[in-house]
Amino acid sequence: QVQLVQSGAEVKKPGSSVKVSCKTSGGTFTTFTFCWVRQAPGQGLEWMGRIVPIFHSTHYTQKFQGRLTITADESTNTAYMELSSLRSEDTAVYYCASYSESSGGLDYWGQGTLVTVSS
Amino acid sequence: SYVLTQSPSVSVAPGQTATITCGGNNIGSRSVQWYQQKPGQAPVLVIYYDRDRPSGIPERFSGSNSGNTATLTISRVEAGDEADYYCQIWDTGRDHEGVFGAGTQLTVL
Repeated sequence: QVQLVQSGAEVKKPGSSVKVSCKTSGGTFTTFTFCWVRQAPGQGLEWMGRIVPIFHSTHYTQKFQGRLTITADESTNTAYMELSSLRSEDTAVYYCASYSESSGGLDYWGQGTLVTVSS
Repeated sequence: SYVLTQSPSVSVAPGQTATITCGGNNIGSRSVQWYQQKPGQAPVLVIYYDRDRPSGIPERFSGSNSGNTATLTISRVEAGDEADYYCQIWDTGRDHEGVFGAGTQLTVL
């Protein structure tokens, strides 16, 4: 069974950066596509970007271009999401999720990481 | 960018059928996924490729997609179905970016 386990909650100052990890187990890391989705308090789901580790390819939505970096470390089966120039509006729960062609959707999700941006 | 439109809320009595819709321009030409999210939990995929169910999802959950509307139908609704439901597509015009609807809150009366 595939499991995605994310790093713990973070509190950050405006203007700083945050890096959230997503460690996978129970599957072959290089076959995954990892997506990052965030959810602001009381709001809906927002897709941010993805990485395909086997190709080292990434794609970010325009909204996060220049601030978002998604990476993957095959040696530790871990994907990372780093968001810079944080502002209060970035306060949200950040989820990693894996995509598979067989399901066409995001079939495994991490537990979520709360990032709070506050001065 | 592609926009998915969902009604904010749907209410249904236990045992009845809940219908949750997701509107989009010619959405019938795209594959739609549906996710269930309960408070404090990560989303769960309940329908993929318009109408397929992952293992472990009850047969009471079904999906359809045609024209400008995709539909998630929950038959014989139970109290445990109370949750937010999100539709989602991959925007092929934007390198398969994920797009979510705003979500529909299902209340079981």
